[in-house]
Amino acid sequence: SQQGEEDPQALSIQEGENATMNCSYKTSINNLQWYRQNSGRGLVHLILIRSNEREKHSGRLRVTLDTSKKSSSLLITASRAADTASYFCATSWNAGNMLTFGGGTRLMVKP
Amino acid sequence: DAGVTQSPTHLIKTRGQQVTLRCSPKSGHDTVSWYQQALGQGPQFIFQYYEEEERQRGNFPDRFSGHQFPNYSSELNVNALLLGDSALYLCASSFLSVETQYFGPGTRLLVL
Repeated sequence: SQQGEEDPQALSIQEGENATMNCSYKTSINNLQWYRQNSGRGLVHLILIRSNEREKHSGRLRVTLDTSKKSSSLLITASRAADTASYFCATSWNAGNMLTFGGGTRLMVKP
Repeated sequence: DAGVTQSPTHLIKTRGQQVTLRCSPKSGHDTVSWYQQALGQGPQFIFQYYEEEERQRGNFPDRFSGHQFPNYSSELNVNALLLGDSALYLCASSFLSVETQYFGPGTRLLVL
């Protein structure tokens, strides 16, 4: 079963706009990761945030984590058509443990 | 440095048949995990191999089995295929001590 839910399930924006996706999870975690998937192919790791961190940045990506609400958000700034993909959050207890994925957000960025 | 590779890329089988999927991990990685992704859903964990042993297992029946070889490559076997086994099967490799997993392109299995 899925660990949690992503919101929204689908998002359509114009190039240059910001995209925000949210993820909720159910159990205690050690870390939360975001992955991108293009057209039903393999997943690409984007960013990892640990349970003792509140915010992390990587290029145009900003991730927040609120362990009290069991939720995370991924912000993509100044989106590009190439950002069109499905985005998944995944949680795990610790290094070496299985990843539990949400259902994903399908992002479409229109040129 | 090659990333995670999987073979075959696509496969069509009929109900009741058996299938074997293969995965070569990223160079140096010692841990291989397998995930099943149904259309429109997130990946679901099947099992993980480390040092040629099944280390963790998700909620999948015994029809799903695997193996890891001394060179860390891995196979996923599915017996008595059902229509519901149609999915994208993803292999991910990692170091056991590191959280990030690297995914292969997947094998798309269609069961008719």
